[in-house]
Amino acid sequence: ETGVTQSPTHLIKTRGQQVTLRCSSQSGHNTVSWYQQALGQGPQFIFQYYREEENGRGNFPPRFSGLQFPNYSSELNVNALELDDSALYLCASSDQGGNTEAFFGQGTRLTVV
Amino acid sequence: QQQVKQSPQSLIVQKGGISIINCAYENTAFDYFPWYQQFPGKGPALLIAIRPDVSEKKEGRFTISFNKSAKQFSLHIMDSQPGDSATYFCAASSTGTASKLTFGTGTRLQVTL
Repeated sequence: ETGVTQSPTHLIKTRGQQVTLRCSSQSGHNTVSWYQQALGQGPQFIFQYYREEENGRGNFPPRFSGLQFPNYSSELNVNALELDDSALYLCASSDQGGNTEAFFGQGTRLTVV
Repeated sequence: QQQVKQSPQSLIVQKGGISIINCAYENTAFDYFPWYQQFPGKGPALLIAIRPDVSEKKEGRFTISFNKSAKQFSLHIMDSQPGDSATYFCAASSTGTASKLTFGTGTRLQVTL
């Protein structure tokens, strides 16, 4: 176990709705990265948060947004959900502004219907 | 643009055999190459990682071989066991951004008795 916890584990939403996913980083880690993993694919980098600010972003639209809190936990928000947003959303914890190994949580399975 | 290509897509190996998974990258700025193991319903778990200053790294039954000139790296699992049956992902990132990973598409390994 990595010590990275995500909630909820499963979620079903309707197209057009908004969703918030949560992540608690491993103790001592100050950086959180979010990934989207479609079925049968590798994880795709969404963005990273360090010191409560976005520290890099992948090729995802602005309706994907995030927050990091002073205790280093993080939220991923997705607005105007689309069917293609159905995926496993992974949170990864690391240290030194993201310059160390990434340790993943178990993920949140989001289904958009 | 897929920056990390992984093969094969699936692999069946007998117990005790050697499993070999290959990856190739395009971005010459990549200098950190981890391998992750993922079981169904779980997040990826870091197995082993290498930086280009060495050509091989071994940890237990797992070995990474790295060829900088060919921009290729591979994972060898010696004495494969049924418990190794999982999906394996190679990944890559650049200096200072070890946790902003570009993943391959994954290899589903099945180790038979």
